Amino acid sequence: AQSVAQPEDQVNVAEGNPLTVKCTYSVSGNPYLFWYVQYPNRGLQFLLKYITGDNLVKGSYGFEAEFNKSQTSFHLKKPSALVSDSALYFCAVRAQTGANNLFFGTGTRLTVIP
Amino acid sequence: KAGVTQTPRYLIKTRGQQVTLSCSPISGHRSVSWYQQTPGQGLQFLFEYFSETQRNKGNFPGRFSGRQFSNSRSEMNVSTLELGDSALYLCASSLGTGTIYEQYFGPGTRLTVT
Repeated sequence: AQSVAQPEDQVNVAEGNPLTVKCTYSVSGNPYLFWYVQYPNRGLQFLLKYITGDNLVKGSYGFEAEFNKSQTSFHLKKPSALVSDSALYFCAVRAQTGANNLFFGTGTRLTVIP
Repeated sequence: KAGVTQTPRYLIKTRGQQVTLSCSPISGHRSVSWYQQTPGQGLQFLFEYFSETQRNKGNFPGRFSGRQFSNSRSEMNVSTLELGDSALYLCASSLGTGTIYEQYFGPGTRLTVT
């Protein structure tokens, strides 16, 4: 079975400070991991993915994520938060073999305070 | 390149009616997946189509069905609507059906069942 946990429903951070949105996963075999962002009344926008290789993955809008196999985590990070980063963030996983559908976490609402 | 488009964006239906939602994938993308997003259940996978064939199906009743056309456009149909079907329905396209491909989401169709 595949699953994703996003332990924080809400994360608040001051503008200019670093931000972290946490994600842990469970999957049989090796994972493919993804981060998406959702703005109000919009669909999900792809931020980045981990397939293989370097554990630090860089994505859109200055975001990056670190894959940690031993801790089964894939935390999203950004060195300096912007007010415009305020949105709902989803972590997703799928196994490398098998069905193509993504398993999503419940989402973390990020609020960047000016 | 144009993104994933979904029509209509908003829909209000009455219990017992049926509804058809449409999705046009990114040009060149041959895989289309559908997801249901609700506040209570989060993002849940409905089904995936590739080359006009259903490749994978989530845990939804048979009232939910879909199809894909030769131009990769897809439709999903919900018959005998229930109040609990009120949700944001998201369509996602990807280049292929392999698990390595990221999915790109449309803006969604907001369905309200009264």
